[in-house]
Amino acid sequence: GAVVSQHPSWVICKSGTSVKIECRSLDFQATTMFWYRQFPKQSLMLMATSNEGSKATYEQGVEKDKFLINHASLTLSTLTVTSAHPEDSSFYICSASLKRDTEAFFGQGTRLTVV
Amino acid sequence: AQRVTQPEKLLSVFKGAPVELKCNYSYSGSPELFWYVQYSRQRLQLLLRHISRESIKGFTADLNKGETSFHLKKPFAQEEDSAMYYCALRSGAGNMLTFGGGTRLMVKP
Repeated sequence: GAVVSQHPSWVICKSGTSVKIECRSLDFQATTMFWYRQFPKQSLMLMATSNEGSKATYEQGVEKDKFLINHASLTLSTLTVTSAHPEDSSFYICSASLKRDTEAFFGQGTRLTVV
Repeated sequence: AQRVTQPEKLLSVFKGAPVELKCNYSYSGSPELFWYVQYSRQRLQLLLRHISRESIKGFTADLNKGETSFHLKKPFAQEEDSAMYYCALRSGAGNMLTFGGGTRLMVKP
């Protein structure tokens, strides 16, 4: 199957700083990528839909100024958590599809810890 | 709005026993349902989708529109089936997936 890679896999940052998470589709082009957040022992919650060359679509309750998403190319989307707080600590997962209505492939996730 | 419910957070069975992981959904349109599996320390991966009607690793799932369910079944559980299982629904708009809360399956020897 296709491969989606996230970087970094784990990051610790200080409160108030910003951290960028990358999501890359390694062997295919993804017009759309999705960003999810997963709290401990809970399910994946969709945060936003990242569209190549246009603004991301955010789910209700997700602060777009807090979670900046950029999808500059067909193989890369980035999520920047700005002015991070400890409550932003979570597992962030991206997914991408070859094209619409096909299987979604998931990254390995990024564990963010804000101290 | 769509919703996916997995009523059991944990399901523990003995090796060789049948297993059924429950999934119910609510969606006003025509649903497309999936089961995803996450083995320990691995990424989420697709197990099966209702439109393919296939059996993967001995697992099957039938979409029951009358009961709005998509339960995952396997007649004889194996230890290697121990994992986290997520039921997901894809809405008509693009590839957005809505996930259930997940069920941890533990298969004991």
